[in-house]
Amino acid sequence: SYVLTQPPSVSVAPGKTARITCGGNNIGSKSVHWYQQKPGQAPVLVVYDDSDRPSGIPERFSGSNSGNTATLTISRVEAGDEADYYCQVWDSSSDHYVFGTGTKVTVL
Amino acid sequence: EVQLVESGGGLVQPGGSLRLSCAASGFTVSSNYMSWVRQAPGKGLEWVSVIYSGGSTYYADSVKGRFTISRDNSKNTLYLQMNSLRAEDTAVYYCARDVSGSSFYYFDYWGQGTLVTVSS
Repeated sequence: SYVLTQPPSVSVAPGKTARITCGGNNIGSKSVHWYQQKPGQAPVLVVYDDSDRPSGIPERFSGSNSGNTATLTISRVEAGDEADYYCQVWDSSSDHYVFGTGTKVTVL
Repeated sequence: EVQLVESGGGLVQPGGSLRLSCAASGFTVSSNYMSWVRQAPGKGLEWVSVIYSGGSTYYADSVKGRFTISRDNSKNTLYLQMNSLRAEDTAVYYCARDVSGSSFYYFDYWGQGTLVTVSS
């Protein structure tokens, strides 16, 4: 089965840039989506199809995908960005959805 | 406005059964792909099952043969019938609406979740 690997945690100072990676075999050939989840809340889609943003998501959230790594970048980080972030792809070989292991972003 | 409201969670003994419901509003369940995603306490997200608009269903290996996804078009409601429950099925269960493209599938709306606890 397809596996997506994320770093367990990322720490960033307010106003700086956070980069969250999502590693998978030839992930660049897949479409990657990212979710933000705050404690006690349901996940919220922040980036879809590698780099598109749903309406209402700030431009500070951006994504890229190439080779074996996809990246979610949060620019000018704010305290409200502190959350868990998950990448997700669809594995066509199994018709299964796959989530990454999740990354906790801490704003210092 | 799109809304998803889950219900049916609770405490069940190992080996028992439970049926979760997800009432949708603001869109038609049968015209969309719909999924169940779960999250064990303190753990990450795990996709459980999907039902396509055409009726095809798929399951994670961890629940295949024990869980059944279905929908009631007249009630615009999604269901998850869970049988032979195990302690490792303990989780918050979310229903989510899928957005499907030619080569991508993602979740644009999520419910608030319902907690299932499997314990004696």
